[in-house]
Amino acid sequence: DSGVTQTPKHLITATGQRVTLRCSPRSGDLSVYWYQQSLDQGLQFLIHYYNGEERAKGNILERFSAQQFPDLHSELNLSSLELGDSALYFCASSGGFGTGAEYGYTFGSGTRLTVV
Amino acid sequence: AQKVTQAQTEISVVEKEDVTLDCVYETRDTTYYLFWYKQPPSGELVFLIRRNSFDEQNEISGRYSWNFQKSTSSFNFTITASQVVDSAVYFCALKEGGSARQLTFGSGTQLTVLP
Repeated sequence: DSGVTQTPKHLITATGQRVTLRCSPRSGDLSVYWYQQSLDQGLQFLIHYYNGEERAKGNILERFSAQQFPDLHSELNLSSLELGDSALYFCASSGGFGTGAEYGYTFGSGTRLTVV
Repeated sequence: AQKVTQAQTEISVVEKEDVTLDCVYETRDTTYYLFWYKQPPSGELVFLIRRNSFDEQNEISGRYSWNFQKSTSSFNFTITASQVVDSAVYFCALKEGGSARQLTFGSGTQLTVLP
């Protein structure tokens, strides 16, 4: 157990639907990152939150959004789903800036999303 | 922009052979971090090593060793006496300097160790 919890582990949904993926970071970690792993694009960075604030955006579609809550858990919302959104979505967490733990990225086990 | 290249898409070896996975990176920063992760068939990403750009010392951990060479922008990973359990996809990743904290991953190398 890495300490980063992602739910659900598997999700099957239809095109056009909306889903929410959840991530609980490792205890004490303030940063949460979302990555998408697809066969054609590899592991792509989507978005980074630090202590509730958005810090960086990567190749995240406008149909996707995320937030980090006061208890530091994060949710990734995917809407108007398309077949091409089928992928493994990873959440990672790391420590606070300047703590020396900010570059210790721990990944969750991922949520496998299948859009049919 | 930063880039990580893992030119070997797939490697297949027989158990007990040594195998080296190549990683070449591009960055304009002088301060950066390099990582290796393992993704077994179960799918999770397992951290293996982190190295910062100021530490060019090679590292050995059991059957694993890493060769960091700034002159060639490479951070190669060697598994000695490979085992079937080493079969996985291995990813090299880069975190550049500055305020950005996210990782840029290479495309991964699928290693298959045959019994």
